[in-house]
Amino acid sequence: DTEVTQTPKHLVMGMTNKKSLKCEQHMGHRAMYWYKQKAKKPPELMFVYSYEKLSINESVPSRFSPECPNSSLLNLHLHALQPEDSALYLCASRGTTGSYEQYFGPGTRLTVT
Amino acid sequence: SQQGEEDPQALSIQEGENATMNCSYKTSINNLQWYRQNSGRGLVHLILIRSNEREKHSGRLRVTLDTSKKSSSLLITASRAADTASYFCATDAGGFKTIFGAGTRLFVKA
Repeated sequence: DTEVTQTPKHLVMGMTNKKSLKCEQHMGHRAMYWYKQKAKKPPELMFVYSYEKLSINESVPSRFSPECPNSSLLNLHLHALQPEDSALYLCASRGTTGSYEQYFGPGTRLTVT
Repeated sequence: SQQGEEDPQALSIQEGENATMNCSYKTSINNLQWYRQNSGRGLVHLILIRSNEREKHSGRLRVTLDTSKKSSSLLITASRAADTASYFCATDAGGFKTIFGAGTRLFVKA
């Protein structure tokens, strides 16, 4: 199974809401990623977890809070977002030994109103 | 911050023609990868070339890497309408960090 799943597919939230994005993979990958992508732009790295520990935080605002409860799951908790945070949020995973290929989920399309 | 710059930003060709996209990067790399993204979807890995390789083939794809110029090219031969997508190069500098280039939007007309 080489699939990365993300839920929900679409999310509309107000600036005072709290919501969470979820990502799951069962490939045994121990590195998992969150990216943010605006229209016609490349994915922009937000966070990387390796072996369930946060290893990279690309100076992301604290209104985005990642969590890796176990080796298969990755969450992104959202609170007090701004309209400019509207984007496609992509999750990816990859192996940690000798494999650099990242497997991406289909993304969550987030709209902040 | 984005490391790779891609050229051209957009490319429109006829079915059957070849498409060439270029990518430049700024720092030393372990490898360089190319990904495809259909509109609004997740990215799909196409091919990886390591820093000690100069050329690699996979089906209709040919990738070259010139580490002295810090540049790579992706050639898609005999393009099809289904190749219409955005193509991104991505550099891996170690420590799980991957940086994507700006991307080339390819449109293949049937």
